[in-house]
Amino acid sequence: DVVMTQSPLSLPVTLGQPASISCRSSQSLVNSDGNTYLSWFQQRPGQSPRRLIYKVSNRDSGVPDRFSGSGSGTDFTLKISRVEAEDVGVYYCMQGAHWPFTFGQGTKLEIK
Amino acid sequence: EVQLVESGGDLVQPGGSLRLSCAASGFTFSGYWMGWFRQAPGRGLECVASVRRDGNEKLYVDSVKGRFTISRDNAKDSLYLQMNSLRAGDSAVYYCARLDWNSLDYWGQGTPVTVSS
Repeated sequence: DVVMTQSPLSLPVTLGQPASISCRSSQSLVNSDGNTYLSWFQQRPGQSPRRLIYKVSNRDSGVPDRFSGSGSGTDFTLKISRVEAEDVGVYYCMQGAHWPFTFGQGTKLEIK
Repeated sequence: EVQLVESGGDLVQPGGSLRLSCAASGFTFSGYWMGWFRQAPGRGLECVASVRRDGNEKLYVDSVKGRFTISRDNAKDSLYLQMNSLRAGDSAVYYCARLDWNSLDYWGQGTPVTVSS
């Protein structure tokens, strides 16, 4: 199975400051169809996961534009330009290029 | 509005069985792959199984192969997960999710499964 490794696992951030989460995969996430299937999810306390980004950099409807995704091959990043209080939660990357889909360990974002 | 509502989670003894259901609404159910994912207490997310639009292709994570069966009824807009020979390690919140662009664009609220004697 493809191993997804996130860093950091804990991310204390001051309100209004930027934040960045790294995700690395043990294999390339470029699928045979030419697409790169890397997604980012946010899980707020007590809630189900919510997708933020798909195919590396495509933001889902309703997701604030302070969230952005980038990367290629095996190395990916989620950036939050200015952290707000509602961003507290755990962030997961997930690869959908190879079955079974696999998730990173999660990065817990908290406000300093 | 897309909605996925899981049900069927319960406390069950090791070796027992359980059937989870997911009622979908707000979209053309037969037009999407669907899947089950789980999250053990205090732990991360894990893929369990997925099923093609017509129900004729099914994929499983190795740890549940031979024990779990995913199925769907497109006439009822419903997804199912039959879980047999349950183990303590299967204890988790089970989520139903819609697959889109090899990702999960909508999730249900989850249903808890506890395997314990």
